[in-house]
Amino acid sequence: EVQLVESGGGLVQPGGSLRLSCVASGFTFSSYWMHWVRQAPGKGLVWVSRINSDGTSTSNADSVKGRVTISRDNAKNTLYLQMNSLRPEDTAVYYCARAIAVAGVAHFDYWGQGTLVTVSS
Amino acid sequence: DIQMTQSPSSLSASVGDRVTITCRASQSISTYLNWYQQKPGKAPNVLIYAASSLQSGVPSRFSGSGSGTDFTLTISSLQPEDFATYYCQQSYSAPATFGGGTKVEIK
Repeated sequence: EVQLVESGGGLVQPGGSLRLSCVASGFTFSSYWMHWVRQAPGKGLVWVSRINSDGTSTSNADSVKGRVTISRDNAKNTLYLQMNSLRPEDTAVYYCARAIAVAGVAHFDYWGQGTLVTVSS
Repeated sequence: DIQMTQSPSSLSASVGDRVTITCRASQSISTYLNWYQQKPGKAPNVLIYAASSLQSGVPSRFSGSGSGTDFTLTISSLQPEDFATYYCQQSYSAPATFGGGTKVEIK
């Protein structure tokens, strides 16, 4: 059974840092691109960051560029999101998601349960 | 970035109703369009990918159609477990972008 389990969220002051983790199981983690998607309270889904299967290519949303770093440890089946210079508008549930392409069309086929990040003084 | 616009933002319907949700892209995205269902406090689940392909395990009352800029998600006979928020998402070009969501509520 595919599972993605996030951790690392919590309350942090503006300007602070957090590292989110997502532990994967039930599939060959090193074969898949992985993403982070966030959802502010009562709001919609927003893509944040992605990393390719071997970790050599990453991309971030403009809203977090220069403040977040996505990485992965394929030996540990773990995805990370290092978040620095956090702002109140970064408050959200952060989901990790597995991406799969079928007939050339990518979609997120498995999601973690999410971890809440609250940025507040 | 490609903007995705869903309508309506919310709707009220009864069990057994046929429900249609639309999603419009700001430019042509061929069939690079996915639909997700999200229930309160839970992660999204994919229903439809590539505009019209049903994800394994998803009931056949869900269907998707469209190409280019205009897409629809149809629930042929609404069931109690279908009351949720639905999102479209394009994967034609980075960054992936989502529609604002459609909340389906009980009438």
